[in-house]
Amino acid sequence: DIQMTQSPHSLSASLGETVSIECLASEGISNYLAWYQQKPGKSPQLLIYYASSLHDGVPSRFSGSGSGTQYSLKISNMQPEDEGLYYCQQGYKYPITFGPGTKLEIK
Amino acid sequence: QVQLKESGPGLVQPSQTLSLTCTVSGFSLTSYNVHWVRQTPGKGLEWMGVIWNGGNTDYNSALKSRLSISRDTSKSQLFLTMNSLQTEDTGIYYCSRNDYGGLIDYWGQGTLVTVSS
Repeated sequence: DIQMTQSPHSLSASLGETVSIECLASEGISNYLAWYQQKPGKSPQLLIYYASSLHDGVPSRFSGSGSGTQYSLKISNMQPEDEGLYYCQQGYKYPITFGPGTKLEIK
Repeated sequence: QVQLKESGPGLVQPSQTLSLTCTVSGFSLTSYNVHWVRQTPGKGLEWMGVIWNGGNTDYNSALKSRLSISRDTSKSQLFLTMNSLQTEDTGIYYCSRNDYGGLIDYWGQGTLVTVSS
Protein backbone atom coordinates (compact mmCIF):
# COMPACT_ATOMS: atom_id res chain seq x y z
CA ASP A 1 0.00 0.00 0.00
CA ILE A 2 1.12 3.58 -0.64
CA GLN A 3 1.73 5.40 2.66
CA MET A 4 0.85 9.08 2.89
CA THR A 5 2.46 11.35 5.46
CA GLN A 6 1.66 14.99 6.17
CA SER A 7 3.52 17.82 7.84
CA PRO A 8 3.10 19.64 10.04
CA HIS A 9 0.73 17.75 12.32
CA SER A 10 -0.78 21.09 13.34
CA LEU A 11 -0.20 24.78 12.83
CA SER A 12 -1.68 28.11 13.70
CA ALA A 13 -1.79 31.13 11.45
CA SER A 14 -2.86 34.74 11.67
CA LEU A 15 -5.57 36.20 9.48
CA GLY A 16 -4.13 37.19 6.13
CA GLU A 17 -1.11 34.91 6.50
CA THR A 18 -0.03 32.34 3.91
CA VAL A 19 0.35 28.74 5.07
CA SER A 20 1.57 25.54 3.45
CA ILE A 21 0.88 21.92 4.22
CA GLU A 22 3.07 19.15 2.82
CA CYS A 23 2.10 15.64 1.78
CA LEU A 24 4.62 12.91 1.00
CA ALA A 25 3.78 9.64 -0.73
CA SER A 26 5.86 6.50 -0.20
CA GLU A 27 6.13 6.11 -3.98
CA GLY A 28 5.35 8.20 -7.04
CA ILE A 29 1.65 8.87 -7.58
CA SER A 30 1.71 10.77 -10.88
CA ASN A 31 -0.29 13.73 -9.54
CA TYR A 32 -3.25 11.55 -8.51
CA LEU A 33 -3.45 13.61 -5.33
CA ALA A 34 -6.41 15.35 -3.75
CA TRP A 35 -6.69 17.74 -0.81
CA TYR A 36 -9.74 17.91 1.46
CA GLN A 37 -10.90 20.23 4.22
CA GLN A 38 -12.93 18.83 7.09
CA LYS A 39 -14.72 20.88 9.72
CA PRO A 40 -16.02 19.50 13.03
CA GLY A 41 -19.03 17.25 12.55
CA LYS A 42 -18.85 17.51 8.76
CA SER A 43 -17.61 15.29 5.97
CA PRO A 44 -14.42 16.10 4.03
CA GLN A 45 -14.86 18.57 1.19
CA LEU A 46 -12.73 18.43 -1.94
CA LEU A 47 -10.46 21.43 -2.48
CA ILE A 48 -7.86 20.31 -5.03
CA TYR A 49 -7.67 17.34 -7.40
CA TYR A 50 -4.94 16.10 -9.73
CA ALA A 51 -2.52 17.91 -7.38
CA SER A 52 -3.24 21.41 -8.68
CA SER A 53 -6.77 21.65 -10.11
CA LEU A 54 -9.22 23.74 -8.08
CA HIS A 55 -12.59 22.08 -7.42
CA ASP A 56 -15.75 23.98 -8.33
CA GLY A 57 -16.63 26.71 -5.87
CA VAL A 58 -13.35 26.57 -3.93
CA PRO A 59 -11.81 30.01 -3.31
CA SER A 60 -8.76 30.84 -5.38
CA ARG A 61 -6.68 31.42 -2.24
CA PHE A 62 -6.31 27.63 -2.16
CA SER A 63 -3.69 26.20 -4.49
CA GLY A 64 -1.87 22.92 -4.90
CA SER A 65 1.45 21.94 -6.38
CA GLY A 66 3.93 19.11 -6.53
CA SER A 67 4.90 16.04 -8.48
CA GLY A 68 6.26 12.56 -7.99
CA THR A 69 6.10 11.87 -4.28
CA GLN A 70 5.96 15.42 -2.86
CA TYR A 71 2.91 17.67 -2.86
CA SER A 72 1.80 20.78 -1.07
CA LEU A 73 -1.33 22.78 -0.36
CA LYS A 74 -1.01 26.54 -0.01
CA ILE A 75 -3.60 28.78 1.57
CA SER A 76 -3.04 32.45 0.86
CA ASN A 77 -4.63 35.24 2.88
CA MET A 78 -5.84 32.98 5.71
CA GLN A 79 -9.51 33.50 6.60
CA PRO A 80 -11.44 32.46 9.75
CA GLU A 81 -13.42 29.88 7.79
CA ASP A 82 -10.18 28.12 6.80
CA GLU A 83 -9.83 26.62 10.27
CA GLY A 84 -10.18 22.86 10.17
CA LEU A 85 -8.50 19.59 9.36
CA TYR A 86 -6.77 19.07 6.02
CA TYR A 87 -6.15 15.68 4.44
CA CYS A 88 -4.36 14.50 1.34
CA GLN A 89 -5.43 11.40 -0.58
CA GLN A 90 -3.73 9.39 -3.29
CA GLY A 91 -5.81 7.83 -6.02
CA TYR A 92 -2.98 6.34 -8.06
CA LYS A 93 -3.13 2.81 -6.74
CA TYR A 94 -5.65 0.80 -4.78
CA PRO A 95 -6.17 0.74 -1.91
CA ILE A 96 -6.83 4.47 -1.88
CA THR A 97 -4.95 5.93 1.08
CA PHE A 98 -5.14 9.14 3.07
CA GLY A 99 -2.71 11.22 5.06
CA PRO A 100 -3.16 11.50 8.84
CA GLY A 101 -4.36 15.09 8.62
CA THR A 102 -3.10 18.55 9.54
CA LYS A 103 -5.00 20.72 12.00
CA LEU A 104 -5.07 24.39 11.05
CA GLU A 105 -6.11 26.98 13.61
CA ILE A 106 -6.32 30.74 13.74
CA LYS A 107 -3.64 32.32 15.89
CA GLN B 1 -26.81 18.49 -7.47
CA VAL B 2 -24.72 15.52 -6.38
CA GLN B 3 -25.84 14.09 -3.06
CA LEU B 4 -25.07 10.95 -1.10
CA LYS B 5 -26.73 10.04 2.18
CA GLU B 6 -25.90 7.18 4.50
CA SER B 7 -28.38 5.51 6.81
CA GLY B 8 -28.27 2.66 9.27
CA PRO B 9 -28.30 1.72 12.94
CA GLY B 10 -26.19 3.89 15.16
CA LEU B 11 -25.44 1.09 17.62
CA VAL B 12 -24.24 -2.43 16.89
CA GLN B 13 -23.33 -5.08 19.42
CA PRO B 14 -19.90 -6.71 19.30
CA SER B 15 -19.68 -9.72 16.97
CA GLN B 16 -22.86 -8.61 15.18
CA THR B 17 -23.36 -7.48 11.58
CA LEU B 18 -23.49 -3.90 10.34
CA SER B 19 -25.79 -2.99 7.46
CA LEU B 20 -25.68 0.47 5.92
CA THR B 21 -27.49 2.03 2.98
CA CYS B 22 -26.26 4.89 0.81
CA THR B 23 -28.87 6.71 -1.27
CA VAL B 24 -27.53 8.88 -4.06
CA SER B 25 -29.02 11.57 -6.26
CA GLY B 26 -27.77 13.86 -8.99
CA PHE B 27 -25.81 11.13 -10.77
CA SER B 28 -26.16 7.57 -11.99
CA LEU B 29 -24.55 4.59 -10.30
CA THR B 30 -23.88 3.17 -13.75
CA SER B 31 -21.73 6.18 -14.62
CA TYR B 32 -19.68 6.66 -11.45
CA ASN B 33 -17.83 4.50 -8.97
CA VAL B 34 -18.89 4.77 -5.33
CA HIS B 35 -16.65 4.07 -2.37
CA TRP B 36 -17.13 3.39 1.31
CA VAL B 37 -14.64 5.16 3.58
CA ARG B 38 -14.67 5.15 7.36
CA GLN B 39 -13.10 7.47 9.89
CA THR B 40 -12.07 5.90 13.16
CA PRO B 41 -10.09 7.19 16.14
CA GLY B 42 -7.51 4.48 15.62
CA LYS B 43 -6.86 4.64 11.89
CA GLY B 44 -8.18 8.00 10.68
CA LEU B 45 -9.62 7.89 7.17
CA GLU B 46 -9.63 4.32 5.89
CA TRP B 47 -10.79 3.18 2.47
CA MET B 48 -13.06 0.17 2.77
CA GLY B 49 -14.07 -0.71 -0.74
CA VAL B 50 -15.59 0.35 -4.03
CA ILE B 51 -18.39 -0.71 -6.33
CA TRP B 52 -17.43 0.18 -9.86
CA ASN B 53 -19.89 1.71 -12.27
CA GLY B 54 -20.09 -1.66 -14.02
CA GLY B 55 -21.09 -3.40 -10.79
CA ASN B 56 -17.84 -5.16 -9.84
CA THR B 57 -16.38 -4.62 -6.40
CA ASP B 58 -12.96 -4.32 -4.78
CA TYR B 59 -12.21 -4.35 -1.08
CA ASN B 60 -9.51 -3.33 1.34
CA SER B 61 -7.58 -6.52 1.96
CA ALA B 62 -7.72 -5.88 5.71
CA LEU B 63 -11.53 -5.98 5.64
CA LYS B 64 -12.20 -8.26 2.69
CA SER B 65 -13.17 -11.32 4.72
CA ARG B 66 -15.87 -9.36 6.60
CA LEU B 67 -17.14 -6.89 4.01
CA SER B 68 -19.66 -6.92 1.17
CA ILE B 69 -20.80 -4.04 -1.04
CA SER B 70 -23.75 -4.22 -3.40
CA ARG B 71 -26.23 -1.92 -5.10
CA ASP B 72 -29.71 -1.50 -6.52
CA THR B 73 -29.39 0.83 -9.47
CA SER B 74 -33.18 1.14 -9.88
CA LYS B 75 -33.34 2.71 -6.43
CA SER B 76 -30.01 4.59 -6.65
CA GLN B 77 -28.91 2.79 -3.51
CA LEU B 78 -25.76 1.05 -2.37
CA PHE B 79 -25.40 -1.31 0.54
CA LEU B 80 -22.56 -2.15 2.90
CA THR B 81 -22.58 -5.24 5.06
CA MET B 82 -19.77 -6.02 7.48
CA ASN B 83 -19.81 -8.85 9.97
CA SER B 84 -18.01 -9.69 13.20
CA LEU B 85 -17.87 -6.08 14.37
CA GLN B 86 -15.53 -5.14 17.19
CA THR B 87 -15.09 -1.98 19.22
CA GLU B 88 -12.31 -0.78 16.91
CA ASP B 89 -14.90 -0.61 14.11
CA THR B 90 -16.55 2.31 15.90
CA GLY B 91 -16.44 5.40 13.72
CA ILE B 92 -18.12 7.45 11.03
CA TYR B 93 -18.94 5.62 7.80
CA TYR B 94 -19.10 7.58 4.55
CA CYS B 95 -20.16 6.73 1.05
CA SER B 96 -18.44 8.82 -1.56
CA ARG B 97 -18.16 9.24 -5.30
CA ASN B 98 -15.02 9.34 -7.38
CA ASP B 99 -14.61 11.16 -10.65
CA TYR B 100 -10.96 12.00 -11.14
CA GLY B 101 -9.05 8.73 -11.40
CA GLY B 102 -9.10 7.32 -7.89
CA LEU B 103 -9.86 10.69 -6.32
CA ILE B 104 -13.08 11.28 -4.40
CA ASP B 105 -15.06 14.36 -5.33
CA TYR B 106 -18.23 14.13 -3.21
CA TRP B 107 -18.87 12.65 0.21
CA GLY B 108 -22.05 11.81 2.08
CA GLN B 109 -22.71 13.38 5.44
CA GLY B 110 -21.56 10.21 7.18
CA THR B 111 -23.25 7.99 9.73
CA LEU B 112 -21.85 7.27 13.17
CA VAL B 113 -21.59 3.61 14.07
CA THR B 114 -20.88 2.67 17.66
CA VAL B 115 -19.96 -0.91 18.51
CA SER B 116 -20.89 -1.55 22.10
CA SER B 117 -22.87 -3.91 24.25
